[in-house]
Amino acid sequence: GNSVTQMEGPVTLSEEAFLTINCTYTATGYPSLFWYVQYPGEGLQLLLKATKADDKGSNKGFEATYRKETTSFHLEKGSVQVSDSAVYFCALRALSYNQGGKLIFGQGTELSVKP
Amino acid sequence: DAGVIQSPRHEVTEMGQEVTLRCKPISGHDYLFWYRQTMMRGLELLIYFNNNVPIDDSGMPEDRFSAKMPNASFSTLKIQPSEPRDSAVYFCASTLGGAGTQYFGPGTRLLVL
Repeated sequence: GNSVTQMEGPVTLSEEAFLTINCTYTATGYPSLFWYVQYPGEGLQLLLKATKADDKGSNKGFEATYRKETTSFHLEKGSVQVSDSAVYFCALRALSYNQGGKLIFGQGTELSVKP
Repeated sequence: DAGVIQSPRHEVTEMGQEVTLRCKPISGHDYLFWYRQTMMRGLELLIYFNNNVPIDDSGMPEDRFSAKMPNASFSTLKIQPSEPRDSAVYFCASTLGGAGTQYFGPGTRLLVL
């Protein structure tokens, strides 16, 4: 079946440090891949997405590249800020007749950025 | 647009009581999803609807849980009777088309004592 595995948190970084959150997936066919972010007390927000192999999603300084050969979609940011502190979720969507585009989420990675 | 609206934002109840969570999707969206988030199990899909029809309820934990979507602008998730292990944050999300971006509501934080 389809699944997503993320690196465990919490991840604690100093401001302006480089961030990588690893995400690998298992899926049949060609899923779309997503990163969602959840700030404290809020719902999930789409951060970026990629719909086919070698696509790069980017938003707010975050980037992730869809690597089919390694079944990965790692999230990166060159210089994190305190305001990036949140929980990050990797997810996949495998469209099929009986799946209707439902998302499969990883377990989430908590990021804490210190000043 | 106001986004996905959920109510109540917080609910505290006693074991055995009925709990009803409500969701108003974004106007025009034809898919609606109910998720549950816990520390132990992460984010789980409970059920989703397309054009008000339940498509996949395989994530509903047991018969105590039920969900309805009487019209395109309203859905409910009911737990009867509630148990302490149902304590979680319940999210509703909606999207336009199966391939659209899912927009999440702020969630309902449920505590069953």
